[in-house]
Amino acid sequence: GNSVTQMEGPVTLSEEAFLTINCTYTATGYPSLFWYVQYPGEGLQLLLKATKADDKGSNKGFEATYRKETTSFHLEKGSVQVSDSAVYFCALMGYNQGGKLIFGQGTELSVKP
Amino acid sequence: EAGVAQSPRYKIIEKRQSVAFWCNPISGHATLYWYQQILGQGPKLLIQFQNNGVVDDSQLPKDRFSAERLKGVDSTLKIQPAKLEDSAVYLCASSRLLLEREQYFGPGTRLTVT
Repeated sequence: GNSVTQMEGPVTLSEEAFLTINCTYTATGYPSLFWYVQYPGEGLQLLLKATKADDKGSNKGFEATYRKETTSFHLEKGSVQVSDSAVYFCALMGYNQGGKLIFGQGTELSVKP
Repeated sequence: EAGVAQSPRYKIIEKRQSVAFWCNPISGHATLYWYQQILGQGPKLLIQFQNNGVVDDSQLPKDRFSAERLKGVDSTLKIQPAKLEDSAVYLCASSRLLLEREQYFGPGTRLTVT
């Protein structure tokens, strides 16, 4: 079945450091890929998405590229801020899966001043 | 536009008791989802509605969990009787259409079963 694997956290970085959170997936067909973010005490928010191979999703300085050859969708940001501290979830929506999202286990990011 | 509303935000019950969670999706959103998020894990879909019909309930433990969306708007998720392993955050999400790729999540209800 479809699945998503993320790098384990927590990840602790200093402000202005470069961020990479790895995400790989297993799916049949051509899934859509997403990154969601969950700030403390809040619900999940869509951060970015990509719907086909080689698409790059971007938002708020974060980027991720849909790599079908490596089945990956790694999240990157060039310079993190304290306000980026949150839990990040990689997710996929399978083709013809009726909107069902399958999530990775989440990666906690803590950014120190 | 108002977001997805959920209540209560927190609930503590003893095992074998029953509990109900309520969700009001974004106005006009036809599809509603309930996810269970156990601490340290990603959310897992429990049930998906399209208007007032069930699209997918394959991962809903039907011996103890039930959900309804009678008028195709708000929804209730019930657990009866609760077990310790049901301790989790229960997230409600909605989208405009069945195949809409963007889902909007509510703040969740944190359930603790003692």
